[in-house]
Amino acid sequence: EAGVAQSPRYKIIEKRQSVAFWCNPISGHATLYWYQQILGQGPKLLIQFQNNGVVDDSQLPKDRFSAERLKGVDSTLKIQPAKLEDSAVYLCASSPGTGSYEQYFGPGTRLTVT
Amino acid sequence: AQSVTQLDSHVSVSEGTPVLLRCNYSSSYSPSLFWYVQHPNKGLQLLLKYTSAATLVKGINGFEAEFKKSETSFHLTKPSAHMSDAAEYFCVVSDSEGQNFVFGPGTRLSVLP
Repeated sequence: EAGVAQSPRYKIIEKRQSVAFWCNPISGHATLYWYQQILGQGPKLLIQFQNNGVVDDSQLPKDRFSAERLKGVDSTLKIQPAKLEDSAVYLCASSPGTGSYEQYFGPGTRLTVT
Repeated sequence: AQSVTQLDSHVSVSEGTPVLLRCNYSSSYSPSLFWYVQHPNKGLQLLLKYTSAATLVKGINGFEAEFKKSETSFHLTKPSAHMSDAAEYFCVVSDSEGQNFVFGPGTRLSVLP
């Protein structure tokens, strides 16, 4: 079974530029999560989708971050414009959904904002 | 609101000795609890989970954890550490409906030869 795929693996941009990350969850997983992990900290949940609907986006900085999950499968996370403090690893995870909440994580995208 | 405290930012043990990584949580709900491990340059991997069944949970690689509601704790243990256990460990709490996931700050485990 293929795992969670993310791309790109690394990205370097200048502040005020925009960037997008892509995630392909495990086939059949209804729930998809985006996390931000700043160096030395635990991951912080940014947004949680159930199929193509948003379940929780309370910690998503909506003035600059946006996410979508078209057709309930792949998802993209966008930052526009980026700030220095957005430098982090962005993790995507998926879980089967109702009744089974263990999450399977992708390798992450390491973003550096200069 | 939910929160997780991992009482030690770094734990160092000798190979073959027991491991104890401490986790305390705060939750307004009946929680689900998880331990994840993150090896350097690798993705997060689920070690074990508690979801209101047996309070003593066994996971992969010889790890286990015990849910103690009265102490709001979910400590991770292993009888004998192996060099390959060196990694970052995260305790995670969520509600029983699979929402409101909160990660702890992590505990770095070092295993000395």
